[in-house]
Formats: sequence, C-alpha cells, structure tokens
Amino acid sequence: DGGITQSPKYLFRKEGQNVTLSCEQNLNHDAMYWYRQDPGQGLRLIYYSQIVNDFQKGDIAEGYSVSREKKESFPLTVTSAQKNPTAFYLCASSIAPQGKNEQFFGPGTRLTVL
Amino acid sequence: AQKITQTQPGMFVQEKEAVTLDCTYDTSDPSYGLFWYKQPSSGEMIFLIYQGSYDQQNATEGRYSLNFQKARKSANLVISASQLGDSAMYFCAMRESLTDSWGKLQFGAGTQVVVTP
Repeated sequence: DGGITQSPKYLFRKEGQNVTLSCEQNLNHDAMYWYRQDPGQGLRLIYYSQIVNDFQKGDIAEGYSVSREKKESFPLTVTSAQKNPTAFYLCASSIAPQGKNEQFFGPGTRLTVL
Repeated sequence: AQKITQTQPGMFVQEKEAVTLDCTYDTSDPSYGLFWYKQPSSGEMIFLIYQGSYDQQNATEGRYSLNFQKARKSANLVISASQLGDSAMYFCAMRESLTDSWGKLQFGAGTQVVVTP
C-alpha cells in the first residue's frame, strides 16, 4: 500500500545529542514537509522540499536540519541547538506543493529529550 | 499575526447529532484554499475536505460539508450524524496564493471533539 512511514514512533534522547527522524514515502510525491506539534497546538512548519536536493526553511527551522537525497526520503535531524526539542513531529508529502493538492501525513514520531 | 482562528478549544456532541466547527481566516490574497484535517488520538492527520476561494459551491464529502462564507472569511466544518469514531482533534488550514509555486499550509490551533453515546 502507498503511504508515508515514520520511524521510530517514540524516541528518547539525552539533552545535547543530535537525533535523526526518518520519513519515507512511496506515493511518488515531489513535495515533502516536516511539522512540529506541541500539546494542544496546531502544526508549525519546520522545513519543506519541492524536489530532490532542494529544501527551504519553514517558520521554525532553527535547530533543525534536513536532506533530500532521494525523492522518497526526507530525514529530519534535531540538533543540540534546538532549545526545546520535545514534541510530536509529523512528516507529510503532496503530489505538488501548490493549488488544491492536499498533504498526506505519516503517523508521527514523538520525541522526548530527557 | 494569526491567520487561522479556531475559537472552540473543545466540544461534546451526542452520537447521531450534527456538529459545526468554527474556522475564520485572515488573508488579502484573492486566491486561497481551505483544508480541514482530522487528528485521532493516534496522531496521524487525515485530510477531510477542501474549499477553494473561487469555488461556487460549498464543498461536501460524505458526512462532511463546509459552510463557506467568503465575505465573513469563515469556513466552518459541519459533521452530520456524528459517530463515536469522529472523536478527534480537528484542524482548519489555509494555503494562500494557490497559483504560486509555494503555498504553505497554515494551521489553526484545533478543536477537540468528543462524541458521546
């Protein structure tokens, strides 16, 4: 079945460590996105990518980095520079970034920094 | 400035009743789209319905319909005949500049819906 996978579902890390969240899609979508969700709040855009080897900062990119070496994959690294990394992270993709094209979401990764 | 406002943090609705979730938005762009997503407790976001600013008719998708009032800048989601499985967080989102290469989705804070038997 086509879809978006994120791993792991739960992730625990010590403060000061970098951590990479995986996002893979087999929908053949060009655009991919990373969002952060804090309890009781909406989603905020971290990074987005329209094509391979190209990505742009979203609203809250500080302390995060991404890569897009393959169309299917868009991993997110939460660096030690991110001051408050504990959150729920959602990856999404869409066939194209504009117009009425909806974004399809993965199941999310819940990151807890101890 | 907040682009999407959802004023109802939470609401209870009885099974089989209809419920309306409010969403107001702020944009000066004439071309925009409004999306509604459902987020169950599992966390995944599920796309429900879309309304374009130039669409003549209110969008409908099964038990979901959109009460789109362009002059008031509101796009309220109506869920008819609520089911227990409708219990979830519901988010309204907007994409401005539909014709531009990059129209980011901007999300509201969400409304928690609990359906009771």
